[in-house]
Amino acid sequence: NAGVTQTPKFRILKIGQSMTLQCTQDMNHNYMYWYRQDPGMGLKLIYYSVGAGITDKGEVPNGYNVSRSTTEDFPLRLELAAPSQTSVYFCASSYVQGVVGELFFGEGSRLTVL
Amino acid sequence: QKEVEQNSGPLSVPEGAIASLNCTYSDRGSQSFFWYRQYSGKSPELIMFIYSNGDKEDGRFTAQLNKASQYVSLLIRDSQPSDSATYLCAVNSGGYQKVTFGTGTKLQVIP
Repeated sequence: NAGVTQTPKFRILKIGQSMTLQCTQDMNHNYMYWYRQDPGMGLKLIYYSVGAGITDKGEVPNGYNVSRSTTEDFPLRLELAAPSQTSVYFCASSYVQGVVGELFFGEGSRLTVL
Repeated sequence: QKEVEQNSGPLSVPEGAIASLNCTYSDRGSQSFFWYRQYSGKSPELIMFIYSNGDKEDGRFTAQLNKASQYVSLLIRDSQPSDSATYLCAVNSGGYQKVTFGTGTKLQVIP
């Protein structure tokens, strides 16, 4: 099983450019998450989804957008990239019945905005 | 007040010693608690979870939960150099759907 797959693994953007980070999972998990991790810091939740067609904001949603049209895919869109969005982005998924369970993470996407 | 707080470390322990990692959380309604290990440049991986007050043991790892004090800890017995990593405490909060992470504690096991 591939698990959670993120693309691209590395990307350099110029200020003002836009891009989409792709995330797909093949575990039929209902919950999916996007986190960012700045150097030496923990994970901050950007957006999450509890199922296809349902998304909600996390702690740091400004400057990002998401969609969840299928169970498998949860892309993260960065509009008008800013240096403050330089970070490592992790997509995660979880199968949840009631209480949140284990999160399975992708390998991360390292984004630099210059 | 941060939702999940950890000492960032680094916490240095000699090989074979017990490493004690601590975490406090602010949401009294939190139901589930997790410890993730993250090696440098890698993604987090779950090593322990606990739902009930008390201790939960898995091999060299013991998770401890005290809901009255809003406190979670992780003990690593017989620490090995391969345990050197950042340990992230995570708590489900804001209902049952969100998982909030602490900033992590960096553990260094000295051979």
